[in-house]
Amino acid sequence: SYEMTQPPSVSVSPGQTARITCSGDPLPKQYAYWYQQKPGQAPVLVIYKDTERPPGIPERFSGSSSGTTVTLTISGVQAEDEADYYCQSADSSDAWVFGGGTKLTVL
Amino acid sequence: EVHLVQSGAEVKKPGESLKISCQGSGYRFNSYWIGWVRQMPGKGLEWMGIIYPGDYDTRYSPSFQGQVTISVDKSINTAYLQWSSLKASDTAMYYCARREVGYCSGGACYAQYWGQGTLVTVSS
Repeated sequence: SYEMTQPPSVSVSPGQTARITCSGDPLPKQYAYWYQQKPGQAPVLVIYKDTERPPGIPERFSGSSSGTTVTLTISGVQAEDEADYYCQSADSSDAWVFGGGTKLTVL
Repeated sequence: EVHLVQSGAEVKKPGESLKISCQGSGYRFNSYWIGWVRQMPGKGLEWMGIIYPGDYDTRYSPSFQGQVTISVDKSINTAYLQWSSLKASDTAMYYCARREVGYCSGGACYAQYWGQGTLVTVSS
């Protein structure tokens, strides 16, 4: 298995843009997915296949990929976006790998 | 509408056995992988393993191989996670999640639907 590296924390003011990165060697070959988790709740999928947004997820959430790094971008951050965010991918045997998580604080 | 409903919180003593469940509804249960994810208190998500109800194909993370058993009862659309001898370090929230249809290489290795979680507390 391999590791996916995320920054432990990101802080932004309301209305600004938050960018959360996730790095891992297999990422150019494997898709990445992003989950939002608020305290006491199950994770919620916000981005799949690097850049796709599931139904019901606000347009301010977007994903991008470049080489071994994928990025979750939240444009016009709102207070309700404060949460932990996890990237996830799969290794060559289809085992899931999660990043360590990033705590987004809205100042 | 897809739902995954997990069994309730458990409080156990070290050495005891435990089986928690995850019942799926609103979709063709046999056709989707069901995975289990651990979240220790204040920590991140860890993938434990996954099972395909259609043919019982089961895969484990190396970190959890031999430590837990994943199974399924197709007759009641329910997946299980079980321990034969719990340890204090098994204290965590456990989530089941439905993997999408398709190959991981095609971008299907993710879960849009999750159970509500089962809190397992192991303490003497």
